[in-house]
Amino acid sequence: SQKIEQNSEALNIQEGKTATLTCNYTNYSPAYLQWYRQDPGRGPVFLLLIRENEKEKRKERLKVTFDTTLKQSLFHITASQPADSATYLCAPTGGGNKLTFGTGTQLKVEL
Amino acid sequence: NAGVTQTPKFRVLKTGQSMTLLCAQDMNHEYMYWYRQDPGMGLRLIHYSVGEGTTAKGEVPDGYNVSRLKKQNFLLGLESAAPSQTSVYFCASSTGRLSTDTQYFGPGTRLTVL
Repeated sequence: SQKIEQNSEALNIQEGKTATLTCNYTNYSPAYLQWYRQDPGRGPVFLLLIRENEKEKRKERLKVTFDTTLKQSLFHITASQPADSATYLCAPTGGGNKLTFGTGTQLKVEL
Repeated sequence: NAGVTQTPKFRVLKTGQSMTLLCAQDMNHEYMYWYRQDPGMGLRLIHYSVGEGTTAKGEVPDGYNVSRLKKQNFLLGLESAAPSQTSVYFCASSTGRLSTDTQYFGPGTRLTVL
């Protein structure tokens, strides 16, 4: 069955550093992958989408990579700020409109 | 635009009681979804709808029913609540026009079943 793995342990980093979050998937080949941010007590908010034929996508301080050979996506936040503290969810998707989400990784950016 | 709204925000039920969660969107989206989110389990799709008058089962549909009588509203019903249905419920919507659709989520409903 399809499996999506995100590091369940919280990632703690210092302000100004680059945060890197990992999303691994097995037993399927997604055509694209989405990343969402979720703050406590709120619904997820879409951040970035990357297609299987794109190696990298950037948006301001965010960068996403998609390696279909490794079956992995990396999500980077450069020059991280305390306001970036949240849980980040990945959703590798084979197509269609139904998304399957990973359990998310909590990021804490400390001063 | 309010986006996606959910009512109520919190609810406590006793085992066996019934209730309906309301989701409304003002973005004229075709597709709507209901998820539940539990610690360590991530978001799991309960039911979804690809248009007014249509519904389909997701990953965890048992114990829930849905209706989409109006395009802007998607209702999730629990006929006989069980403690296992204690969760945070999220509604989402998307345009449905692209395979790369992104989803817009509501603020969630925290449901406790005693």
